[in-house]
Amino acid sequence: AQSVTQLGSHVSVSEGALVLLRCNYSSSVPPYLFWYVQYPNQGLQLLLKYTSAATLVKGINGFEAEFKKSETSFHLTKPSAHMSDAAEYFCAVSESGGYQKVTFGIGTKLQVIP
Amino acid sequence: NAGVTQTPKFQVLKTGQSMTLQCAQDMNHNSMYWYRQDPGMGLRLIYYSASEGTTDKGEVPNGYNVSRLNKREFSLRLESAAPSQTSVYFCASNTQGDGANVLTFGAGSRLTVL
Repeated sequence: AQSVTQLGSHVSVSEGALVLLRCNYSSSVPPYLFWYVQYPNQGLQLLLKYTSAATLVKGINGFEAEFKKSETSFHLTKPSAHMSDAAEYFCAVSESGGYQKVTFGIGTKLQVIP
Repeated sequence: NAGVTQTPKFQVLKTGQSMTLQCAQDMNHNSMYWYRQDPGMGLRLIYYSASEGTTDKGEVPNGYNVSRLNKREFSLRLESAAPSQTSVYFCASNTQGDGANVLTFGAGSRLTVL
């Protein structure tokens, strides 16, 4: 069975500082991995996805994530936080091959301090 | 494009009342999903429909029923609402075979059961 663990339900960073949101996954087959972002009172939007092409994936708004099979990790980073990055971020996994459901982590709320 | 449209956006029910959440997508997606979002628990899958004419239980199906009315529409029914069903409900859709299982979400329906 697939699962996702997000370490830290709340993360605070100063504006301009590095953003690092952690995600570890479990999957019995090669996974698809995703980061979604949710702004207040909105639905989730795709930030980036890994589908077994490049291990370093670039997404929207300057975010990127690196797939590390040996560590079963898919951490999300951004070099310099902006106030507009304040949101909740969800890591998700889906097993590749045929139809598979998408399983989400519990989410990490990012606070950006001016 | 409207994407995924959910109605209603807000609803207050009394314990024991019934209601139906409606969802429609205009992207010709094959698969549709209902998730609930609760603080500290992330998104949990209630029911999904891999294709028109099929529905299956997710993680937390108890107390809910679904209908895949046609390819566009997927409704979620609460037959006898309970306070534990107070939550934000999200409908999502995608098409398998695009290589990534990326979900498109609606804006959410906030349900309060008194």
